[in-house]
Amino acid sequence: QSALTQPPSASGSPGQSVSISCTGTSIGTYNYVSWYQHHPGKAPKLMISEVTKRPSGVPDRFSGSKSGNTASLTVSGLQAEDEADYYCSSYTGNKDLVFGGGTKLTVL
Amino acid sequence: EVQLVESGGGLVKPGGSLRLSCAASGFTFSLYGMNWVRQAPGKGLEWVSYISPTSSYIYYADSVKGRFTISRDNAKNSLYLQMNSLRAEDTAVYYCARDSDPGMVVVIPPGYWGLGTLVTVSS
Repeated sequence: QSALTQPPSASGSPGQSVSISCTGTSIGTYNYVSWYQHHPGKAPKLMISEVTKRPSGVPDRFSGSKSGNTASLTVSGLQAEDEADYYCSSYTGNKDLVFGGGTKLTVL
Repeated sequence: EVQLVESGGGLVKPGGSLRLSCAASGFTFSLYGMNWVRQAPGKGLEWVSYISPTSSYIYYADSVKGRFTISRDNAKNSLYLQMNSLRAEDTAVYYCARDSDPGMVVVIPPGYWGLGTLVTVSS
C-alpha cells in the first residue's frame, strides 16, 4: 500500500494559521483519517481522528477536514509549542495501515 | 491514565532475533486492538503489525511478513513482537499503539502510543 503524501515542511509565525495536506486514494474512500503530533523523543499524540474529531484535551486551535482524496490539518493561532512533526494516517480497507511521510512544522 | 511502556530493544547482529514487550495499564487491555509501529532514523512512521483484542485477527506489513510475530497475553496486559532474521533496515524505534475504541477488528489509526524502544541491527 502506497504511503500518503504530505509536504515535507510548513511554517508560520505565532498567531497565524497554517494547513498541512495529506493526499491518498484511501482518504477519498474512508473516513478513518487521523493526525498525530510528534515531538522528538516523545510519544506521538493523536490530534484529530475520523477526519474531524478532536480528542479530549486537544486545543480547538487544531481542526481537520477532507475534500476528495486530500485531508487537511489546520492549526490556528500558532504557538511556539506547536512546532513538531505532524503525520497523517488512514485506514486502507486492505488489512494494513498507511502513514504520510510527515511534515515538519516550524513556528517562525 | 492510559500507559504503554515498551521494552526489549537493543543492539543485535543481522540475522539475529529480538523480542519486544509492551506493558499496558490504565485501561481494560483485553478489549482493545493493538499495533506495533516503527520509525527508522530520520524517517517517517511505518505500521508493522496489528492484533485484535482476542488475537483472532493478525496482520503484518509486507516488509516484516514471515519474519515478525505479534502476540498478546491479556492476563498479563502485555503485547509482544518477536523479531527474527533481523536486517539493517529494521533499525528503528518501535512503538506500541492502542486502538482509540474497544472491540475493533480492523486496522484503523491508533489512539494512544508509548514512548518506544530502539532496535539497532548492526554488525
